[in-house]
Amino acid sequence: EPEVTQTPSHQVTQMGQEVILRCVPISNHLYFYWYRQILGQKVEFLVSFYNNEISEKSEIFDDQFSVERPDGSNFTLKIRSTKLEDSAMYFCASRGDSRTEPQHFGDGTRLSIL
Amino acid sequence: DAKTTQPPSMDCAEGRAANLPCNHSTISGNEYVYWYRQIHSQGPQYIIHGLKNNETNEMASLIITEDRKSSTLILPHATLRDTAVYYCIVRAISSGSARQLTFGSGTQLTVLP
Repeated sequence: EPEVTQTPSHQVTQMGQEVILRCVPISNHLYFYWYRQILGQKVEFLVSFYNNEISEKSEIFDDQFSVERPDGSNFTLKIRSTKLEDSAMYFCASRGDSRTEPQHFGDGTRLSIL
Repeated sequence: DAKTTQPPSMDCAEGRAANLPCNHSTISGNEYVYWYRQIHSQGPQYIIHGLKNNETNEMASLIITEDRKSSTLILPHATLRDTAVYYCIVRAISSGSARQLTFGSGTQLTVLP
């Protein structure tokens, strides 16, 4: 069964450094998402992406965040200058074009900011 | 999207059916009910979804009441590997929309040996 893959599984970065989290969505999916989950808290929506542009974004997704689909397969989340509070699990999700189709999630990247 | 209410935790004996309830009393006509689960900080895993008819797949069954104000996810023969947080999410369906999922706190299901 096709799946969403995320790399790396764990990223350790110094505060203030830039970090790029990578995702390969399911082939032929058209909608892409990033969520995050701070340890012990709920899964929170960050951003959705469709037709090469951001569709929706949450208040969390400020100017320090950006997303890109640099080629036909990868979907990336960049944090420009990381803060301690960015430490979390980051999940990528994708879904196909059907209105009712569910989102499918990757297993996440654990981001640790030192 | 309509708000959902789930019990914070439930236990179930291994091999027995696990019935996880969800209230969504403010659900509207274009909103579907989706169930996901999350096993120990892995990514949320899709289980099943429905609008008003009961649904069944290889993982679970979804029973939605006639008035659509509540639903029950049924795992027919729970195993230890079904121990997870289960999320009931109501999501409006609209054409061309990239609508996100809004996760609540879910129900921590513990399957006991």
